[in-house]
Parts: sequence; C-alpha cells; structure tokens
Amino acid sequence: QSALTQPASVSGSPGQSITISCTGTSSDVGSYNLVSWYQQHPGKAPKLMIYEVTKRPSGASNRFSGSKSGNTASLTISGLQADDEADYYCCSYAGGSIVWVFGGGTKLTVL
Amino acid sequence: EVQLLESGGGLVQPGGSLRLSCAASGFTFSSYAMSWVRQAPGKGLEWVSAISGGGGIASTYYADSVKGRFTISRDDSKNTLYLQMHSLTAEDTAVYYCAKEVSSSWLDWGQGTMVTVSS
Repeated sequence: QSALTQPASVSGSPGQSITISCTGTSSDVGSYNLVSWYQQHPGKAPKLMIYEVTKRPSGASNRFSGSKSGNTASLTISGLQADDEADYYCCSYAGGSIVWVFGGGTKLTVL
Repeated sequence: EVQLLESGGGLVQPGGSLRLSCAASGFTFSSYAMSWVRQAPGKGLEWVSAISGGGGIASTYYADSVKGRFTISRDDSKNTLYLQMHSLTAEDTAVYYCAKEVSSSWLDWGQGTMVTVSS
C-alpha cells in the first residue's frame, strides 16, 4: 500500500490561509469519507484536527477545515498563527487488510 | 480523562524480540478498537497494526511491513494493549504510539515508547 502524497512543505504569513493537499487513489481517499488530519509539534504525540473529511473534534480550532474532491483531500488553515507551525499528516481508511494509510507529512512554516 | 501509557521499548539487537504494552485508563477499554502507529527518527507516521474492540474474538490487522513478524493483542481485564515484535530489523527503529480509535480516527494517543534495533 503506497503512502498518500502530501507536499513536503508549505509556508504562510501570520493571518494568511494555507491549504495542504493529500492525494490518494480510488482505493483509499476516493472510496471512503474517512480522511483524518493530524498536527504534530516536535517531540510530541500527534493531535487530531479533522476526522471524517470535514469534522472537527472538540478542542480543535475552527480555523482548521477539511474537504475532499475525488482522490484528493485538503486541509485549510485560516488566520495562521505562530503555534500552527508544525508537521501535518493526512490519513485515510483503505479497507481490506491494510486498513489505514498515512501521507508522508507536510512541514508548515509560519513566516 | 483518557490516558494511554506505553512501555516496553528499549535497545534490541537485530533479529531480536520485544513486547510493547499500552496501559489504558479513563474510558471503557474493551469497547474501543486500538492501533499502534510508529514514527522512525525524522520520518513520518506509519500505521502498524489495529485490533477491534467490543468484546468477543478480536479482529487484527497489520501493515505489510510487519505482517508475520508482529502480533497485536489485548487483555480487556487488564485494560492493556500489546504489540509482540519478532525478527526486528533496523527499519523497525521508531517511536511506537498506541492510539484509541473513534469515528475512524485517533483522538487519543500515548506519549510513545522508543524502540531501537541496533547491534
């Protein structure tokens, strides 16, 4: 099972919006509305930001939003803040025996 | 408050074995599917294995990279998740996280335990 494809890095200035893409296949992202997004600061455990493509868990900022079109999911962060600087990972259910596949991760730099 | 506490990591020689544990508290452990996710130094997250919840005979799932070498299990009476690892190689060197599955995602994670495979 191949990893989902994410850009290695993105950047933005405080207050701006950025979008991180996550491209899979018709076997994972394209087949299930079960894409989640995780934020990870250095040395910390991942934190769930978005689940089931568009839903936000309690405790996650409403500046984070998710969407999906075909085989590509996206995470948008609006009103960038310094603390948003972190690594972001997408993950999709893939069914069968493989079950879950992650993206390679995107490093967000807040300029 | 949900707490997941991994233990059992350490230094092991190539070809060796190790058993990781994840002690859970703050929720009804038996009701939830659980997963192990790992992260090699400087690399991304990799799903390793999952086990169903809800009682009865648990279903287990593995990434291709560990299939046949790793075994996931759970003891609901002890609120503990396990990962038995055999035939370890340098590629298995990583921080191993246990995570609680909710709505097809992982809201709660442990702090991780480091496994280093080296001679």
